[in-house]
Order: sequence, then structure tokens, then C-alpha cells
Amino acid sequence: GEDVEQSLFLSVREGDSSVINCTYTDSSSTYLYWYKQEPGAGLQLLTYIFSNMDMKQDQRLTVLLNKKDKHLSLRIADTQTGDSAIYFCAESLWTDKLIFGTGTRLQVFP
Amino acid sequence: ETGVTQTPRHLVMGMTNKKSLKCEQHLGHNAMYWYKQSAKKPLELMFVYSLEERVENNSVPSRFSPECPNSSHLFLHLHTLQPEDSALYLCASSQGSGGDNEQFFGPGTRLTVL
Repeated sequence: GEDVEQSLFLSVREGDSSVINCTYTDSSSTYLYWYKQEPGAGLQLLTYIFSNMDMKQDQRLTVLLNKKDKHLSLRIADTQTGDSAIYFCAESLWTDKLIFGTGTRLQVFP
Repeated sequence: ETGVTQTPRHLVMGMTNKKSLKCEQHLGHNAMYWYKQSAKKPLELMFVYSLEERVENNSVPSRFSPECPNSSHLFLHLHTLQPEDSALYLCASSQGSGGDNEQFFGPGTRLTVL
């Protein structure tokens, strides 16, 4: 079946790196996404990776994909208070459908 | 207006009321979606429209009725809701089907059913 799991909370100190993890079950995923949701706002696409890649870097964001273990991670370097939000990973198959995880609430403290 | 907009942003309704949520996308996309976001649960896909035709309905109760009059507008008509329907309802759009399925989300409507 289709299932995407994330831990619910992560708390980090400002300036440290944050690593948010995600596991998925469907090996036929094509693209995997990271979305950010700030309070009172909709989901904002942060980055995505094609399933035949194992790493993608975009400024402070690094996405790592271990397809064998069906594990996706998002690393945020030099985490700032403005990074505090809920982060969702999602996978897509060869349809319009995205399967989302439960979201990880990142709290950044000074 | 740019991107995906939703109105109203907040809605409080009684169980006997009838209301509608509206979504509009200004991106020239062909597919639109309704999602339900409840606390501590995965985001749930409710409806998918592609080229104004419903292509997926994930067993949503009939008290939720979608309408897609054209590729830019999507409505969710609500009637005789239950308190457990209180949630954030998100609309999204994408260029179409296929692997590169980047969806753009609206800010959501926070619905409270009393």
C-alpha cells in the first residue's frame, strides 16, 4: 500500500543543522517532495528530487534519497528561526496523486 | 492575484448550514485538487479534477460536493457537516498528470463545524 511516515517533532538550536526524515513504502514513486507549511499558510514547495537521483542540493537545503531503504531526508543548514514550520514529505506515482506524510513540526530556538 | 487563492480563509458553520468553499488558480494549470488537513493525520486527498472532469474521489462522504465549472475555478459545497469535518481544507493545482507533479497550494480555508 501507499504510506509515508515522518516523526512528529524536531527541535534544534538556531545555527545548527536540522535533519528531517521520511520513509515511504511504494517503490514505484517517481518524484519525492518536501513542502513547508508556515502557520496560517498553505503548503509551499521547497524542493523535489527525481527517484533516480540520490542527492540534490539547493542553497541551505540538501535532499538525500536512499531508494533501497525507501528513505528520504531533508537537511537544513544553519537553521534560522524563520525555518520554524511544519515540513511535509510527499511522493508521487504516475498519476496526479500525491501521498503526504503526517508532517514534522520543526521548532528553532535561540 | 497570483498563484492559488482560496476564500473564505475562515468559516464557522452549524451542522445544518450549507456553505461553499472557493478556489481559484491563476497559473494556467489543468488539474485542481481538494485536500483535507486534520491535526496529526496525513494530508488526505479528497477530489481531483483534470481538464474539468473529476478523475478521483477518495471515498469522500456525500456531504462534500465538488464543482469545477472551468479549469481556473474549483468549489467545495458543504451541507449537513459533522464536527469531525472541522479541518483545514487546501486547494492545489498542477499543470497536469504525469511524473513531474508539482502542485501549488492555496492558503487553505480553516473550517469549524459547531
